[in-house]
Amino acid sequence: EVQLVESGGGSVQPGGSLRLSCAASGFTFSSFEMNWVRQAPGKGLEWVSYISSSGSTIYYADSVMGRFTISRDNAKNSLFLQMNSLRAEDTAVYYCAKQYCSGGICYGAWFDPWGQGTLVTVSS
Amino acid sequence: EIVLTQSPATLSLSPGERATLSCRASQSVRSYLAWYQQKPGQAPRLLIYNASNRATGIPARFSGSGSGTDFTLTISSLEPEDFAVYYCQQRNNWPRGTFGQGTKVEIK
Repeated sequence: EVQLVESGGGSVQPGGSLRLSCAASGFTFSSFEMNWVRQAPGKGLEWVSYISSSGSTIYYADSVMGRFTISRDNAKNSLFLQMNSLRAEDTAVYYCAKQYCSGGICYGAWFDPWGQGTLVTVSS
Repeated sequence: EIVLTQSPATLSLSPGERATLSCRASQSVRSYLAWYQQKPGQAPRLLIYNASNRATGIPARFSGSGSGTDFTLTISSLEPEDFAVYYCQQRNNWPRGTFGQGTKVEIK
């Protein structure tokens, strides 16, 4: 069974840093693209960042560009999100999500499954 | 940025009724649209991708249609477990993509 488990969330003051982790199991992690998506309390979903299977291609939403860094360790089946210069508007549940695959075809555009999320609260 | 507008914001229906959810894009996204279901306290789950393809394990009562700027998610006969929030998502400008604000399907 594919499983994604996020960790590393917590409370931090504005301007602070956090590093989120996502532990993957049940699939060959190194073969799949991964994403981070966040959801502010009571709000909708926002795509945050993408990383290719090898880690060589990375993209960010404009809202986090220059402050967040996505990375992965394929040997340890882990995805990371280093978040610096945190702002109140970064407060959200952060989900890691695997690219969706079906019938041997993988779709970089779609996300499934998702982890259960980890809450990041930025407040003074 | 492509904006997705979902309507209605809330849909109040009874089990067994048909649900029709709309998602309108501010510009064409071709068929690069997906629908997700999210239940309280849970992560989203992919229902429909590429506008009309059901994801693995999704019941046949869920169907998607549309292309360009207008899309529809239909639940033919609501089951108790279908009451949730539904989001559309576009990836026409992959990898960047946007989500709609969501439609809550609640029990009437």
